[in-house]
Formats: sequence, C-alpha cells, structure tokens
Amino acid sequence: ETGVTQTPRHLVMGMTNKKSLKCEQHLGHNAMYWYKQSAKKPLELMFVYSLEERVENNSVPSRFSPECPNSSHLFLHLHTLQPEDSALYLCASSLGHENTQYFGPGTRLTVL
Amino acid sequence: SQKIEQNSEALNIQEGKTATLTCNYTNYSPAYLQWYRQDPGRGPVFLLLIRENEKEKRKERLKVTFDTTLKQSLFHITASQPADSATYLCALETGNTGKLIFGQGTTLQVKP
Repeated sequence: ETGVTQTPRHLVMGMTNKKSLKCEQHLGHNAMYWYKQSAKKPLELMFVYSLEERVENNSVPSRFSPECPNSSHLFLHLHTLQPEDSALYLCASSLGHENTQYFGPGTRLTVL
Repeated sequence: SQKIEQNSEALNIQEGKTATLTCNYTNYSPAYLQWYRQDPGRGPVFLLLIRENEKEKRKERLKVTFDTTLKQSLFHITASQPADSATYLCALETGNTGKLIFGQGTTLQVKP
C-alpha cells in the first residue's frame, strides 16, 4: 500500500447519525487532503491542510467538518448527511511544491 | 476557470497495442501536469509528472507528452497488457498551494 491508511473502508449511516472518517499517513508529508469521488464525476477537492492549517475549503457544506490534530492525522466528521453525500471519500498527502499526491484506499460511504 | 477534458470515457484495445489517452485543458498552462492510475474501489496511484518546459517523459512502458501550444497532454502505454486495464486520470496544478484539478478519467480495457 501507499503509506496512507483510511478507516473505516466502508460506512453505512442514517441521515441523523454522526460518524468520523480517519486518515493517517506514515510518509513524513506536510500536507493532507480530503476528496470526494462520485460515480462518473472527477475527483472533487474538499479540504486542504498544510502544516496542520486549513488552507482550502471548497465551499463544502457545514455537515462536513475536517480536523487535523497533527501532520500525520486527518479526520472528517460527518453529521446529518444527505443521500447525495454517498460517495468514495479519499484522503491524500504530499510533500514539496510539485505536489505529487499519495492517496489512501478510500472510505465507501452510503447514506440511507 | 480551468477545465480539463479527457478524450473519452472508455477505450478498448487489444493486448500488445499502444494505448493513447488524451488530456486537454482550456485555460492557462500549468507549471506541471500529472497522470494517475486508479483501480476499482481504490485510491489513485501516481504515475508520472511532466513540467511545462519538458516535451516528453518516459517510465518503462509509459510515455507522457506535454504540448502547451495545443494545451494537451498525451499518455501512451506501449505493448499494453490486460493488467494495464484501469482508469487513468490527468491532473493539473492550479498555482495555489496543494491544489490539483483532476479530469474525469479514461477507463482503459486491454483485451487478451
């Protein structure tokens, strides 16, 4: 694997639930990202953290709340999601200005 | 805003042939462009990066070209194998720290 892990790999939740996605990177990188990937659509960047500071928030609804406690860990807290939020959520990390990104395996989220 | 188009959603070729995938962009030329491979249910894996001052980059059976006049990158896989079957994504840097824009991908199927 790539050195970026994500848990859980699969998640089914109701619209009223609260859950969190976790990402961990063991590569010594200084930037971490959350992406959403829906069927037949390009990867959509949600959040970027650089040196643990959020530098990008792509107009993501407030029902998605990221947290980056240190440079190795990234969370995505979920609450009152909608069925259209069902997708593959990918975490990535990078080092350096050329920004080659290393992705985790993703969490397949289904909102009922 | 920058838009990316990958030539086709799907490409089917016979084993041993060369696969050629196209990535076109509409706006400014990025400082670099990347290609990733994604298998079903997995995160993208970085393959190659090409800078704006480079015409061509090679890695084993892979070759990438970058034409800033045509605003196009071509990705070639020579002597293709069934194991090359996957979705291939191109990504452009946007000039902002940590931000890549991804194309929608081309799914390559190599038949034995």
